[in-house]
Amino acid sequence: EIVLTQSPATLSLSPGERATLSCRASQSVISSYLAWYQQKPGQVPRLLIYGASSRASDIPDRFSGSGSGTDFTLTISRLEPEDFAVYYCQQYGGSPFSFGQGTKLEIK
Amino acid sequence: QVQLVESGGGVVQPGGSLRLSCAASGFTFASYAMHWVRQAPGKGLEWLTFIRFDGTNKYYADSVKGRFTISRDNSKNTLFLQMDSLRTEDTAVYYCAKGWGYFASWGQGTLVTVSS
Repeated sequence: EIVLTQSPATLSLSPGERATLSCRASQSVISSYLAWYQQKPGQVPRLLIYGASSRASDIPDRFSGSGSGTDFTLTISRLEPEDFAVYYCQQYGGSPFSFGQGTKLEIK
Repeated sequence: QVQLVESGGGVVQPGGSLRLSCAASGFTFASYAMHWVRQAPGKGLEWLTFIRFDGTNKYYADSVKGRFTISRDNSKNTLFLQMDSLRTEDTAVYYCAKGWGYFASWGQGTLVTVSS
């Protein structure tokens, strides 16, 4: 079973700043089958990135994903007010299709 | 457009059972794998179970293996989750999600509360 550890647990930044979120896997993720989701309070998770670096439909280009093997990163180049939310990584290289525990991105 | 609508949630006593449904529309349901994911109040996302497009392969998280059963009826475009031997820690919003591995489409969720 692959365990995903996200860091930091909470990230406090201001609009306009750059955000870097980390997701580390306990073992290598096959074929970079790693996705990122954004969830706002009371809302359904929204797919941002799949295949470690491919942006999902209608996702702004300020969101980017990178990494391979066991280390993955979600970068938001310039934070907009609507970007403050909880972010989850998820691996789908094999069952169980585990999620990380989440990073809360909050306004500083 | 893709639409997934869960139903069947509610309040149940520990040890009880519930059957959740997910009605799919806007895509060829029979061609896609499906999953159930849950989120306990104030907690993160937990993947539960997967079913292949034709129902031949199923996977489960250890936390629900032997208690929950995923199934589908492709003739009715519907996904199911039979939940038995429910525990208080199963209290959560349950989402169905479309896709082989990552989830571009989610339902709005149905709340299951396990309490005496």
